[in-house]
Amino acid sequence: GAVVSQHPSRVICKSGTSVKIECRSLDFQATTMFWYRQFPKQSLMLMATSNEGSKATYEQGVEKDKFLINHASLTLSTLTVTSAHPEDSSFYICSARDIGTGNEQFFGPGTRLTVL
Amino acid sequence: AQSVAQPEDQVNVAEGNPLTVKCTYSVSGNPYLFWYVQYPNRGLQFLLKYITGDNLVKGSYGFEAEFNKSQTSFHLKKPSALVSDSALYFCAVRDGYQKVTFGIGTKLQVIP
Repeated sequence: GAVVSQHPSRVICKSGTSVKIECRSLDFQATTMFWYRQFPKQSLMLMATSNEGSKATYEQGVEKDKFLINHASLTLSTLTVTSAHPEDSSFYICSARDIGTGNEQFFGPGTRLTVL
Repeated sequence: AQSVAQPEDQVNVAEGNPLTVKCTYSVSGNPYLFWYVQYPNRGLQFLLKYITGDNLVKGSYGFEAEFNKSQTSFHLKKPSALVSDSALYFCAVRDGYQKVTFGIGTKLQVIP
């Protein structure tokens, strides 16, 4: 099946720094990728939809200037958490839509962000 | 707006017994329904999906789910639970625009 990778899998940073998370579709092209956030013992919440070659679409309540998304190629989307604060600590998961398999979404393994 | 309800925070079942994890949904139009499993500090793993066709859908690791349109349910089932099935299970619904809405998750605990 299609594989989606995320890097890094785990990151710890100081408050005020920026962190970049990569999401790659390894064996398929993804014109659309999705970024989710998961708090402990809670469900995944969609943050934004990333479209290759165009601006991302953010869900209500998600600050686009804080969570910068770049989908520069058909296999890579990046999420940058700018000026991170402890409340940004969370589990971030991306998914990629594979047009070749009927628009199925495949999820990455997630990135655990801890902001000190 | 679409929504998914998983009424049980946790389900406990003895190893070897059948298990059911409940899910009900609300969506306009035809539902696209999914089940995913998540192990600690891991991403989601796809189990099965219902798009159209037979109401009973078979998926990975011996899991199956039954789509019931009149009850707007999509319960996950397995005839014989394994300890290794212990994990967090998410039901999800997708609309025509590819937006996926997840339930809050149900923790399955299989007791040896």
